Amino acid sequence: TQLLEQSPQFLSIQEGENLTVYCNSSSVFSSLQWYRQEPGEGPVLLVTVVTGGEVKKLKRLTFQFGDARKDSSLHITAAQPGDTGLYLCATLSGGYQKVTFGTGTKLQVIP
Amino acid sequence: DAGVTQSPTHLIKTRGQQVTLRCSPISGHKSVSWYQQVLGQGPQFIFQYYEKEERGRGNFPDRFSARQFPNYSSELNVNALLLGDSALYLCASSLAGRNNEQFFGPGTRLTVL
Repeated sequence: TQLLEQSPQFLSIQEGENLTVYCNSSSVFSSLQWYRQEPGEGPVLLVTVVTGGEVKKLKRLTFQFGDARKDSSLHITAAQPGDTGLYLCATLSGGYQKVTFGTGTKLQVIP
Repeated sequence: DAGVTQSPTHLIKTRGQQVTLRCSPISGHKSVSWYQQVLGQGPQFIFQYYEKEERGRGNFPDRFSARQFPNYSSELNVNALLLGDSALYLCASSLAGRNNEQFFGPGTRLTVL
């Protein structure tokens, strides 16, 4: 079973601060996804990274896939209260594209 | 266009009872997956169905079963409920084929007392 460990588990920061969330595994992945889940909602896909060393930017969010394709990071610049939520990394596996989620990082941005 | 819809929103059951959860995929999506999300954790894969056939099953006991209907909607059934079945049950739909994004519904919050 592929295990995706995320750190930190919880993060509470002030509005305007920067933060980085990590997703690590001992397995090599063909691709890795990041989702955000807000309270009372299902996860929403933010990005998919597929190439080792790849960096993708989505406004204030920067996603990086490790060179060895075993880890990934999500960096948020100048966090805003709207960034509050559960951040999940995930991989796709199997011919039917089963999504395996990480342990999650719960982010709270305080105004 | 409507997203993935799930019913009911919340449900309270007692141990030993049975429950049926329902999911309607996005129009045109033929694949439906079910996930269980225990509080504070990431979702865990339960089943995936495509064209009414089970394509994948996660590590869940036989008390969990599902089916998909000709209109691609789906039901998840859980028998002999345990306290540990209390969770948010998420449904996701996607187009057929590889590397298609899964779109998640808001979930059904099940509480087992």
